[in-house]
Amino acid sequence: SQQGEEDPQALSIQEGENATMNCSYKTSINNLQWYRQNSGRGLVHLILIRSNEREKHSGRLRVTLDTSKKSSSLLITASRAADTASYFCATDVPNAGGTSYGKLTFGQGTILTVHP
Amino acid sequence: DTGVSQDPRHKITKRGQNVTFRCDPISEHNRLYWYRQTLGQGPEFLTYFQNEAQLEKSRLLSDRFSAERPKGSFSTLEIQRTEQGDSAMYLCASSLVRTGGEPLHFGNGTRLTVT
Repeated sequence: SQQGEEDPQALSIQEGENATMNCSYKTSINNLQWYRQNSGRGLVHLILIRSNEREKHSGRLRVTLDTSKKSSSLLITASRAADTASYFCATDVPNAGGTSYGKLTFGQGTILTVHP
Repeated sequence: DTGVSQDPRHKITKRGQNVTFRCDPISEHNRLYWYRQTLGQGPEFLTYFQNEAQLEKSRLLSDRFSAERPKGSFSTLEIQRTEQGDSAMYLCASSLVRTGGEPLHFGNGTRLTVT
């Protein structure tokens, strides 16, 4: 079953604009990760944010996490045509001992199209 | 780091046949995962291994599916008596678990088509 839900399902923007994708989840988490997938390929890890963090940056990526609302957002600034891909959030749920299972549950993804 | 490799990339089979996929993880990684992805959906967890031990198998997985990881290295996923509903991309991923929360490294998947 899917733990996370991404919003919007599809996003179409022009090169140079910013893209924001949102993810909501249902249960407590140890961390939340964002992955990217180009058509017909495997997923590539982008960024990980732990449950005690509120914001994280990596290059043109900015991720926020609000554990009270059980939601996260991924911002891609100054988008490029090469950013066209599907983006997935994935949650790592703690086991009974409070540590990580290491097994991720993925959302349905946001399809991002960046027009040159 | 040569990445996670999966073989074959594509497999077309007739309903009722058995198929086997192979995954070679990144060599020092102790965890290996199998996921299934259908069109327009996110990856769905199937099973995972810590070294050679299978830690969990999804309740959604029928008895027709079996996975092994002998000697804690490569892994195989076998589907017996394939059905059209098994058509999907089968993704393998690996990670090196230390304290937990490490990212997964995915292969490019095996696309299965059951006719």
